[in-house]
Parts: sequence; structure tokens; C-alpha cells
Amino acid sequence: QKEVEQDPGPLSVPEGAIVSLNCTYSNSAFQYFMWYRQYSRKGPELLMYTYSSGNKEDGRFTAQVDKSSKYISLFIRDSQPSDSATYLCAMSAGGNNRLAFGKGNQVVVIP
Amino acid sequence: SAVISQKPSRDICQRGTSLTIQCQVDSQVTMMFWYRQQPGQSLTLIATANQGSEATYESGFVIDKFPISRPNLTFSTLTVSNMSPEDSSIYLCSVGGQGRGNEKLFFGSGTQLSVL
Repeated sequence: QKEVEQDPGPLSVPEGAIVSLNCTYSNSAFQYFMWYRQYSRKGPELLMYTYSSGNKEDGRFTAQVDKSSKYISLFIRDSQPSDSATYLCAMSAGGNNRLAFGKGNQVVVIP
Repeated sequence: SAVISQKPSRDICQRGTSLTIQCQVDSQVTMMFWYRQQPGQSLTLIATANQGSEATYESGFVIDKFPISRPNLTFSTLTVSNMSPEDSSIYLCSVGGQGRGNEKLFFGSGTQLSVL
């Protein structure tokens, strides 16, 4: 079983729709959970950062962590064409432990 | 935040040759990280570059294949040696951010490497 599972299937949505992305993981030591956004030919940029369980909201973006189910989600409300990118989940046990990344979801928002 | 300049942005190389990728950061950082991003695969950590000491390599990566230099706190290079088509990938430099550990990473724009 991989440490982090993220269905890499591309996702196409119409502008204004809600985008829902998720990852599952197997390592119960993970306590830092991140979502990175990566535009074409660019490096990933940190989008959301959450410590332990719970929800975090930042504008149109909401990150949810359910440690009991080992499941994290990212929601994008009122999606815009500029949200078209690949979204990678990442998680860590903290300290100097390396990050474990998902494979990434390519999202296309159609005007 | 950190601004990371990485070059070259892309290159096409012949089998058996080597390519050195440069990474420059706009501030002093203790650790710099080199990642590989292959199509359809997760970002994979190659090694951690520490100033003043040898790089720490992850399982499956060796110094002879991926030598790393870290001459100061703002600069690092990764060399991909004796390249084969399997080395075709995006290589990313990153530095740690503000997390308790190194969770909040900042990335360069990457080097798209194609090996013929």
C-alpha cells in the first residue's frame, strides 16, 4: 500500500462548479497536511496547510482533514478558469521527516 | 516566502552525457531539497543538500548518479550523470519554509529534462 493515494484522473468542471479533491494515506504518524497547486511548466506552490484534524478555509478554498479515516480533502468553490492546474496533496510527520506526495490531480475549469 | 531561480528550465540531452542543474535562492537557507517529478508519479525526494556537509540521499538514489554541491547557503547544483532515457523527468529544487519542520516547501520552476 502506498503511503499516499491520490487518484490522478483528470477532472473537468464548468466554471462556477465546486471542485472536490481527496487523498487517503496509511501512515498514522502524519500530522501536517498540505495541498500544493502546480501550473503547467511551474513548480508547485503551497496552497493550503493544516495541522492535525479539522477544517481550514481560505477564500474559495477549504481543506479538510479526517485523521480517524486517514482522509484529506480540498474543495474549490466557484471555480474559475485560473484554477486550472494540477493539485498535489502532501503530508508529513513533522520535524525533518520528508514529505510524502500524492500523484496529483489535473483540474480543468471550462469557461 | 523564498524566491528560487532554477536553470536551465529545459534541456534535451544525449544518452551518456551529464547535465548540471543550478538552484539559487534569494535568502540563506539551511537545507535545500532536490526532487524528481516523473509523469504520472508522485514527487520523489532525491536528496537533501546541507551546506558544509555531504548531501543525504534517499533510498534508490546514489551520489555517483546524482552528485550534489552546496557551496554556500543560497546555492546548490544537482548533476544527472551518464544519462539514459529513464532519467527524462522534471527536476525541482526546493527549500523549507515556516513550518515546525520543513513542511512548507517553496519550489523552483523546475528543469524539464529529455534524454534521447
